[in-house]
Amino acid sequence: EAQVTQNPRYLITVTGKKLTVTCSQNMNHEYMSWYRQDPGLGLRQIYYSMNVEVTDKGDVPEGYKVSRKEKRNFPLILESPSPNQTSLYFCAAGYNSPLHFGNGTRLTVT
Amino acid sequence: GIQVEQSPPDLILQEGANSTLRCNFSDSVNNLQWFHQNPWGQLINLFYIPSGTKQNGRLSATTVATERYSLLYISSSQTTDSGVYFCACPGAGSYQLTFGKGTKLSVIP
Repeated sequence: EAQVTQNPRYLITVTGKKLTVTCSQNMNHEYMSWYRQDPGLGLRQIYYSMNVEVTDKGDVPEGYKVSRKEKRNFPLILESPSPNQTSLYFCAAGYNSPLHFGNGTRLTVT
Repeated sequence: GIQVEQSPPDLILQEGANSTLRCNFSDSVNNLQWFHQNPWGQLINLFYIPSGTKQNGRLSATTVATERYSLLYISSSQTTDSGVYFCACPGAGSYQLTFGKGTKLSVIP
């Protein structure tokens, strides 16, 4: 079964405490991407990766880092989270094929 | 970058009614997808449809790339169709996906 797995589902943290949201896929897709979803602003792409060691900025990359050391994993790193990064985050895999999303991570930064 | 506009922003239907959702995009595309976000927040891929027409049960989609729009048809709507419908596509020569703001559909019994 095609699957994108992200963890954790919920995360509450404090300003400045580094965190990582993990994402893995079992479909062997080269393309993976991260999005944040905010009320009134819809889904916005943070970063995407076209292959291992190849990443590029999306619409809202400030305050985020990514790495793609292996095909199946694409973690999202917030080195110094701030309250304006409180949001619902989605990881996805696929591009010239149906895009599959993970179940989301609801992050709250206090 | 590419502009993606969806209409209508909100839609209320009686169960059993049909509807058409529209997605306009400002650039030529080679990749267009439709998604449904259910009330629990899950995003489900409905169609990968860069051009032409596809059908899946009560849902069908048509993309006319030369005229820069795509349509999602929902027939005989059910309460489980409620949620938000998004379209997404990249701009010409870009791998960056842009989403429309969505159409919020409410199907009432």
